[in-house]
Amino acid sequence: GNSVTQMEGPVTLSEEAFLTINCTYTATGYPSLFWYVQYPGEGLQLLLKATKADDKGSNKGFEATYRKETTSFHLEKGSVQVSDSAVYFCALSARSNYQLIWGAGTKLIIKP
Amino acid sequence: DTGVSQDPRHKITKRGQNVTFRCDPISEHNRLYWYRQTLGQGPEFLTYFQNEAQLEKSRLLSDRFSAERPKGSFSTLEIQRTEQGDSAMYLCASSPSGGTSYEQYFGPGTRLTVT
Repeated sequence: GNSVTQMEGPVTLSEEAFLTINCTYTATGYPSLFWYVQYPGEGLQLLLKATKADDKGSNKGFEATYRKETTSFHLEKGSVQVSDSAVYFCALSARSNYQLIWGAGTKLIIKP
Repeated sequence: DTGVSQDPRHKITKRGQNVTFRCDPISEHNRLYWYRQTLGQGPEFLTYFQNEAQLEKSRLLSDRFSAERPKGSFSTLEIQRTEQGDSAMYLCASSPSGGTSYEQYFGPGTRLTVT
């Protein structure tokens, strides 16, 4: 079946450090891939998306590239800020039934 | 522009009571989804509607759970005879029909505590 695996957290970085959060997936066909972010006490917000192989999604300085050959969609940011502290979820849509399949989430802590 | 709204935001109930949650999707979205999220986990899909039709409900956790979307606008999720294991965040999301990206937009959630 379809599944998403994310690196476990928490990930703790200093401000202005480079961020990578790994995400790999298993799916039949050609899923759409997403990163969502959940700030403390808030709902899930769509951060970025990619719908086909080699697409790069980007938003707010975050980027992720849809790599079909490695079935990966790693999240990166060149210089993190304290305000980026949140839980980040990788998800896929298999399109056939519209539900999103989620990773367990990675808590990111940025220290000033 | 209003996003997805959910009511109530918090609900505390005693075991055995029934609870009902409401979700109002983004107005032009005709697909609506319910998920459950427990602490430290990603959301777990429960059910979804296209307009008023419930197209997937096999993932509802038990027959105590039911959902409706009678006029294709707002939706309700009901849990009957609540149990302590039902304590979780219940999330609603909506999406437009058509398109190719399949992203969903989430409300703030309803946090249920069963005592």
